[in-house]
Amino acid sequence: EVQLVESGGGLVQPGGSLRLSCAASGFTFSSCAMSWVRQAPGKGLEWVSGISGSGGSTYHADSVKGRFTISRDNSKNTLYLQMNSLRAEDTAEYYCAKDHRPLGGMIVEAYFDYWGQGTLVTVSS
Amino acid sequence: DIQMTQSPSSLSASVGDRVTITCRASQGISNYLAWYQQKPGKVPKLLIYAASTLQSGVPSRFSGSGSGTDFTLTISSLQPEDVATYYCQKYNSDPFTFGPGTKVDIK
Repeated sequence: EVQLVESGGGLVQPGGSLRLSCAASGFTFSSCAMSWVRQAPGKGLEWVSGISGSGGSTYHADSVKGRFTISRDNSKNTLYLQMNSLRAEDTAEYYCAKDHRPLGGMIVEAYFDYWGQGTLVTVSS
Repeated sequence: DIQMTQSPSSLSASVGDRVTITCRASQGISNYLAWYQQKPGKVPKLLIYAASTLQSGVPSRFSGSGSGTDFTLTISSLQPEDVATYYCQKYNSDPFTFGPGTKVDIK
């Protein structure tokens, strides 16, 4: 059974940093590109960052470029999102999500068949 | 960047009605389009990918069509359990943008 379990969310002041983690199980992690998707309270879905199975290709939305970094440790089956210079508008539930097709290598297809339950990030003073 | 729009933003229909939601891309994306259903308080669920391919386990009353810039999600006979917000998403290239969503409820 595929499981994605996020952790690391919490309350942080503007300008602060957080690192989110997503522990994956039930599939060949290194074969699947992964993404972070966020949802502000009462709002729609926003794709944030994506990474290929090998970790060699990464992508970030313009809204987080230069502040957030996606990475992965395939030996630990874990996905990360390092978030720096946090702003109030980054307040959201952050979901990790698995690419549908295990294409591996450098490919990020970025549509998602499994999602974690989310971790809430609140940026406020 | 390519922008995604959806219409309507919300709709109310009766059980058994045929419901159609439209998604439009500001530039052509071939068939690199997915549809998701998000029920209140739940995580999104993949319904359709490649514009018209039904994800395994999804009821056959859901269908998708379109290519290029114009896409539709159709629920052939609306059921009470279909109350949700529906999102389209492009995945032809980064950024992998979602549409703003269409909220569906029962009249």
